[in-house]
Amino acid sequence: KAGVTQTPRYLIKTRGQQVTLSCSPISGHRSVSWYQQTPGQGLQFLFEYFSETQRNKGNFPGRFSGRQFSNSRSEMNVSTLELGDSALYLCASSLLQGKNTEAFFGQGTRLTVV
Amino acid sequence: AQSVTQPDIHITVSEGASLELRCNYSYGATPYLFWYVQSPGQGLQLLLKYFSGDTLVQGIKGFEAEFKRSQSSFNLRKPSVHWSDAAEYFCAVAILTDSWGKLQFGAGTQVVVTP
Repeated sequence: KAGVTQTPRYLIKTRGQQVTLSCSPISGHRSVSWYQQTPGQGLQFLFEYFSETQRNKGNFPGRFSGRQFSNSRSEMNVSTLELGDSALYLCASSLLQGKNTEAFFGQGTRLTVV
Repeated sequence: AQSVTQPDIHITVSEGASLELRCNYSYGATPYLFWYVQSPGQGLQLLLKYFSGDTLVQGIKGFEAEFKRSQSSFNLRKPSVHWSDAAEYFCAVAILTDSWGKLQFGAGTQVVVTP
C-alpha cells in the first residue's frame, strides 16, 4: 500500500512569488491535513480537508490556502511568499473510522524562500 | 489554553541505556495522545497512540508509553536504546471530534545516542 506522497520534495522560490504543493493521500483516506514545521515555531496546523471541504483551519494568514479534489488529493498554495514561509510542509492523511484511526504523514516538501 | 509540553528539548543517552521522554498536556476534555518520531529530513512516523483503556500502551520499535490522568502526562519509554533511535520525538494531542486531522504537537525532544 503506497504511503502519503508529497511533491515536490524540495522547492526554492523568490520572495513575492507563489507556490503550490501537492499531496496524494493513502488510497481510501478522505481526510488530508497540512502542517508547517519550522525551527522556531515547531509543528503548526494549517488546515484540514475532508471530502473536498475545509473542516478546520489553523491560525495562518489568508496567503495560505488549500483545496481538495474529488480523488482526495490535496494542494496547498502560498501566495506572495515571505522569507518566513521557509519551512518543511507536511501533509497527513487519515481514514477517520472511529478510534482506530491515525494520521499518516508524508515526507514533506522543503520550501526555501530567498 | 490548550497546550502540549515536552520539557526536555535535548536528551543524550548511551546506547543500551534506558530512555524516558516526558510529555504533559493541558486540556479540558479527555485527550487522545500520540507519540511520533522524525528522522532528519523525513516525515513523522507514529510510534504509539492512546485512546482509552489500558493506560500502558505498546508501540513499534520497542517503545511504550504510560498515560497518567492525575499528572496529565503521557511519557514515552524504551528499556534499551539503539543507535538508530537517534531522532526527534514529538508528543501530540487530538481532541475527540469527528476529525483526527487536527493534532497539536509539543516542541519536540531531540535524542542523541552515544556509543
